[in-house]
Amino acid sequence: AQSVTQLDSQVPVFEEAPVELRCNYSSSVSVYLFWYVQYPNQGLQLLLKYLSGSTLVKGINGFEAEFNKSQTSFHLRKPSVHISDTAEYFCAVRDGGATNKLIFGTGTLLAVQP
Amino acid sequence: DAGVTQSPTHLIKTRGQQVTLRCSPKSGHDTVSWYQQALGQGPQFIFQYYEEEERQRGNFPDRFSGHQFPNYSSELNVNALLLGDSALYLCASSWQGGPYGYTFGSGTRLTVV
Repeated sequence: AQSVTQLDSQVPVFEEAPVELRCNYSSSVSVYLFWYVQYPNQGLQLLLKYLSGSTLVKGINGFEAEFNKSQTSFHLRKPSVHISDTAEYFCAVRDGGATNKLIFGTGTLLAVQP
Repeated sequence: DAGVTQSPTHLIKTRGQQVTLRCSPKSGHDTVSWYQQALGQGPQFIFQYYEEEERQRGNFPDRFSGHQFPNYSSELNVNALLLGDSALYLCASSWQGGPYGYTFGSGTRLTVV
């Protein structure tokens, strides 16, 4: 069965510093991977997705992620964070069943400090 | 272009009661999936509706049921509410079930007291 592990429950970082949020997956089928962001009291917004092709994926708000098949990872990065990036970030993998449902990790709270 | 609309935004119910949550998919989408997000957790798949049929169910009891209407909107019903049903319920719409273009609504916050 597919699964996602987000290794850090919380990542504190100072404004304008770089950040990496880690995600490891397990999947027995072709891999589709996603990063979503959730601001307080809101739903999920898609940051970026990997379906195929280039392993470096660029998303919205200056985020990017790199698909590494050998390490089964899909880490999210941003070179310089802002206070407004403070939010919960979820990594997800597509389940291979008929519904293509998403399997989510437990989330990482990115806490940007001034 | 309206995104996914969920109603109500907040709801407080008493144990044992029943609740109905509603979702209108994004224009052009025909598939609706429901997820439960408990506090501090990632969303968990409840079920998906396509062509007015339940296509797949996650690990949720039969107290959770749903429906999809001809206009693709959907309802999630939960009977005999338990305290543990307190969560954010998210609706996601897509085209023919594909994950490529999942759009999530803002959710309904259900509190069971």
